[in-house]
Amino acid sequence: EIVMTQSPGTLSVSPGERATLSCRASHSVSSSLAWFQQKPGQAPRLLIYGASTRATGIPARFSGSGSGTEFTLTISSLQSEDFAVYYCQQYDYWPPLTFGGGTKVEIK
Amino acid sequence: EVQLVESGGGLVQPGGSLRLSCASSGFNVSSNYMSWVRQAPGKGLECVSVIYSGGYTYYADSVRGRFTISRDNSKNMLFLQMNSLRVEDTATYYCARDQYFDIWGRGTLVTVSS
Repeated sequence: EIVMTQSPGTLSVSPGERATLSCRASHSVSSSLAWFQQKPGQAPRLLIYGASTRATGIPARFSGSGSGTEFTLTISSLQSEDFAVYYCQQYDYWPPLTFGGGTKVEIK
Repeated sequence: EVQLVESGGGLVQPGGSLRLSCASSGFNVSSNYMSWVRQAPGKGLECVSVIYSGGYTYYADSVRGRFTISRDNSKNMLFLQMNSLRVEDTATYYCARDQYFDIWGRGTLVTVSS
């Protein structure tokens, strides 16, 4: 099973600032990496797949990068609606499909 | 519109059973990987079961032997039969499409408690 590790656990950022979230895989997952955003009381929403491709309707301020075992989600200028929990997930070597533990982005 | 809608959650005693349903619109469940992903209160995401387009099924160790995933192609629906429920199965259960979960339902809450 591929273990996904996200850091930091919590990220405190001021509106308008850049946020950088990290995700590490225990083994290479090539570019088979997705990012999700989850707000309280809501289902997760796909932001990025293929490590760097934005899903339909996702604003350009969200960008993904990386391959192999190291990945980054960058939010270029945080908006109020971006404060949420973010998860990464690998789909290269499965089953099982595995998620990271999440990074909470909170208002500084 | 592409959409998934779950139903069937509720309160059940330990050892009991529930059957979750997921109604699909806008695409065929039979043509995609379809999964059940759960989230315990305040916790992260866990994929507990997947059904492949060809019918192969996968279960996480935590539910294998107790849960059964299935689909009804004629009704375009996905199901999760949950038996021998445990307190630790308490979670919101989501159905989701494909290996990178591009479409999610709103979820249905399962509470296992005496």
